Amino acid sequence: EDQVTQSPEALRLQEGESSSLNCSYTVSGLRGLFWYRQDPGKGPEFLFTLYSAGEEKEKERLKATLTKKESFLHITAPKPEDSATYLCAVSPLSTNAGKSTFGDGTTLTVKP
Amino acid sequence: NAGVTQTPKFQVLKTGQSMTLQCAQDMNHEYMSWYRQDPGMGLRLIHYSVGAGITDQGEVPNGYNVSRSTTEDFPLRLLSAAPSQTSVYFCASSQGGTNTGELFFGEGSRLTVL
Repeated sequence: EDQVTQSPEALRLQEGESSSLNCSYTVSGLRGLFWYRQDPGKGPEFLFTLYSAGEEKEKERLKATLTKKESFLHITAPKPEDSATYLCAVSPLSTNAGKSTFGDGTTLTVKP
Repeated sequence: NAGVTQTPKFQVLKTGQSMTLQCAQDMNHEYMSWYRQDPGMGLRLIHYSVGAGITDQGEVPNGYNVSRSTTEDFPLRLLSAAPSQTSVYFCASSQGGTNTGELFFGEGSRLTVL
């Protein structure tokens, strides 16, 4: 059974204070690992796809990395507008590409 | 481009009532799915479809029914609502097949069952 565990559940940072979110996963053959951002009252919004260990993707202040067992979402010099819940998900090779298992998310709050 | 559109945004039901949550996408995606999200929890898969006429159960299918008569539409039916079905429901679509699998979500439908 595919499993995704995210930590911490909640993270409070001061503006400019860099940190990382963790996503540990077990899957029988990884098609892709995904990061999504979810704002309150909205649907999740796709950020990154990572396919293989060692891969990195960047977007503005966010950088996602992947190993064989976990992924990290690094946030450099965060701003208040980065406050959101960040969701990690995996899609195994054995199923249709759209079928993903999600973690419970990390809620990030950035104080000015 | 509208993307994924869900209706209604809010709904209140009494126990035992039935209703349908509507979902439509205009991206010609093969794959569509329904998730529910409860406070402090991630998204749990209810049902999914890999194309018109093809549906399958996800992690939490009991009490829900789906059909996929067209590529664009994937309605979710609650047959006899229960308080345990109070949740936020998200419809999502993806290119599917052997593609990368990133999901595009609707804005959500917030359901309260009294």
